[in-house]
Amino acid sequence: AQSVTQLGSHVSVSEGALVLLRCNYSSSVPPYLFWYVQYPNQGLQLLLKYTTGATLVKGINGFEAEFKKSETSFHLTKPSAHMSDAAEYFCAVSGGTASKLTFGTGTRLQVTL
Amino acid sequence: DTAVSQTPKYLVTQMGNDKSIKCEQNLGHDTMYWYKQDSKKFLKIMFSYNNKELIINETVPNRFSPKSPDKAHLNLHINSLELGDSAVYFCASSKTGQGVTSGATGELFFGEGSRLTVL
Repeated sequence: AQSVTQLGSHVSVSEGALVLLRCNYSSSVPPYLFWYVQYPNQGLQLLLKYTTGATLVKGINGFEAEFKKSETSFHLTKPSAHMSDAAEYFCAVSGGTASKLTFGTGTRLQVTL
Repeated sequence: DTAVSQTPKYLVTQMGNDKSIKCEQNLGHDTMYWYKQDSKKFLKIMFSYNNKELIINETVPNRFSPKSPDKAHLNLHINSLELGDSAVYFCASSKTGQGVTSGATGELFFGEGSRLTVL
């Protein structure tokens, strides 16, 4: 079984500041890890994913995340926040390509001037 | 071309009514899902179909009945609607398979959502 914990339901940063959204997972098998973004009144869009291989993965819109097995973490970062990054972000985990995806409770990112 | 499309986008109805939401994907995926997102944005899987076969059926009232006429379509019918059914329902699809050669990545592609409001 898999589970995800997202620390902080609401994160506020200034435009141009570092974005750090935290995600810790639990999995009984090697995990597949995902970050999705949801803009207001829209569906979820994949930002990036980790399956195997390189532990630092880069995604769209300048986001990246690092898989740290020893810490069971997959935190999402972006060096410089932009107003357009304001959205809900979801971390998700699965046990592989034939396994269901389990989502965290989401983190709302607010970007201020 | 919309990859995963759901209709209707908005649905307002009275308690006790029956309603359906339709979903279609043109990605050639073999697995489709229904997720429910509540007012706190929590996403919970409801059902999953693989090649028209039900493979995931979470703890959902039997008033909810999914139907998959073919692997590109997954509909959700809800009987006797209750206030607590108000939510956004998302359809999603994925290509599943084992191993690198299957081409599967585990990624889900989501529709835009159907906002159901029960009065």
